[in-house]
Amino acid sequence: QKEVEQNSGPLSVPEGAIASLNCTYSDRGSQSFFWYRQYSGKSPELIMSIYSNGDKEDGRFTAQLNKASQYVSLLIRDSQPSDSATYLCAVNAKGGSEKLVFGKGMKLTVNP
Amino acid sequence: GAVVSQHPSRVICKSGTSVKIECRSLDFQATTMFWYRQFPKQSLMLMATSNEGSKATYEQGVEKDKFLINHASLTLSTLTVTSAHPEDSSFYICSATLTVHEQYFGPGTRLTVT
Repeated sequence: QKEVEQNSGPLSVPEGAIASLNCTYSDRGSQSFFWYRQYSGKSPELIMSIYSNGDKEDGRFTAQLNKASQYVSLLIRDSQPSDSATYLCAVNAKGGSEKLVFGKGMKLTVNP
Repeated sequence: GAVVSQHPSRVICKSGTSVKIECRSLDFQATTMFWYRQFPKQSLMLMATSNEGSKATYEQGVEKDKFLINHASLTLSTLTVTSAHPEDSSFYICSATLTVHEQYFGPGTRLTVT
C-alpha cells in the first residue's frame, strides 16, 4: 500500500458545484495533513492544513480528517474556473521526520 | 508571511556546465529546507533535506556529488547541479518549514540543459 493515495482523476465539475477530493494514508501515527494546489507550470501552494479529527473551514475550502479511517478530504464549494489545478494531499512522514509524503495529485477542472 | 523565493526562475545551460539555484525564506527563519524535482506531468520527487549548518540528507538514488546543497544560513539554501546533462532538465522547487511539517514552496526554477 502506498503511503499516501489519491484518485488520479481527472475530476471535472461545473462552475458553482462542490468539488470533493479524497486522500487516504497508511501510517496511523500521522499527525499533520495538508492540501496543496498546483497550477500548471507553477509550484505548489499550501491551501489547508489540518491536525485533528473533524472539519476545518477556510472560505470556500473545507478539510475533513478522520484518523480512524485514515482519510482526509478537501471540499471546494461554489467551484470557480480559477480552482482548476492539481490538488496534492500531503502527510508528515514516519519517525518524526519533518519530511512530507505527497500523493500523486488529482487534477480538477471546473467548467464555466 | 511565509514567502519563499528562488533564483533564477529559468536557466538554460550547456551540457557539462554547473548551475546554482538559490532558495531564500524572505520573512521567516527556516531551520529546514527541502529540494524537490518535478518532471512534466509527474508528482514531486524529494531530492534532499537541508538543515542549516549541517550536511544535507539525500534521498535514495540522488547523487550527492552531482547535486550539491549548501545551507549557509537560516534563510538561504543553495542547490548546485554539477556537470549538468540534458536528463537533468527539470523543474526544481525548494520549500521551507515555518512550523513543524508545514512547508512553503518557492516558485521553482526551470532548468534546461542543451
